[in-house]
Amino acid sequence: DAGVIQSPRHEVTEMGQEVTLRCKPISGHNSLFWYRQTMMRGLELLIYFNNNVPIDDSGMPEDRFSAKMPNASFSTLKIQPSEPRDSAVYFCASSLETGPRNQPQHFGDGTRLSIL
Amino acid sequence: AQSVTQLDSHVSVSEGTPVLLRCNYSSSYSPSLFWYVQHPNKGLQLLLKYTSAATLVKGINGFEAEFKKSETSFHLTKPSAHMSDAAEYFCVVSGYLENTGFQKLVFGTGTRLLVSP
Repeated sequence: DAGVIQSPRHEVTEMGQEVTLRCKPISGHNSLFWYRQTMMRGLELLIYFNNNVPIDDSGMPEDRFSAKMPNASFSTLKIQPSEPRDSAVYFCASSLETGPRNQPQHFGDGTRLSIL
Repeated sequence: AQSVTQLDSHVSVSEGTPVLLRCNYSSSYSPSLFWYVQHPNKGLQLLLKYTSAATLVKGINGFEAEFKKSETSFHLTKPSAHMSDAAEYFCVVSGYLENTGFQKLVFGTGTRLLVSP
């Protein structure tokens, strides 16, 4: 089975440019998560979608960050304008939420973003 | 609120010796607990999960973890380390997003396992 697919795997761009990260969750999963991982702060939850609706975006750093999930099989995380401090590995994860207990999240391989 | 503490940032073992990665959790209700592994330049992969069934949970690659409510611990063990086990390991507890009723995962800070020949 195909896992969570992220693209691109690596992105290098100059400060001020727009960056778009893409994610295809596992088919049938109804929850999608965007995380950011850095050495200093570890793994941070940025935003959580359930049935394509944003449930919690309190982790989104600031207005430069936005995320969309137009359908059950695709999500984007956009940074505009990008800054060097946005450099990190961004992960997308998906899960099937069916009841009161958390199901495991399945992670993509991440996008390594470098802002020069 | 739920939280998880990984007691060691780094653990070094020799190949063939036992592995112990320690995790303590805090939860106001009976939690779901997970261990994930992250190899370099890869995403997190689920090793095992505890969801109130058997307290000794077996996972992939020979790992297992024991849920001890009295000690609020969920330590990860493996009888014999392999070179391929060298990676970052994350202990995770389920938690609730405030005012939503939805659950989220709370990640520990990770333990880096080093395996020497």
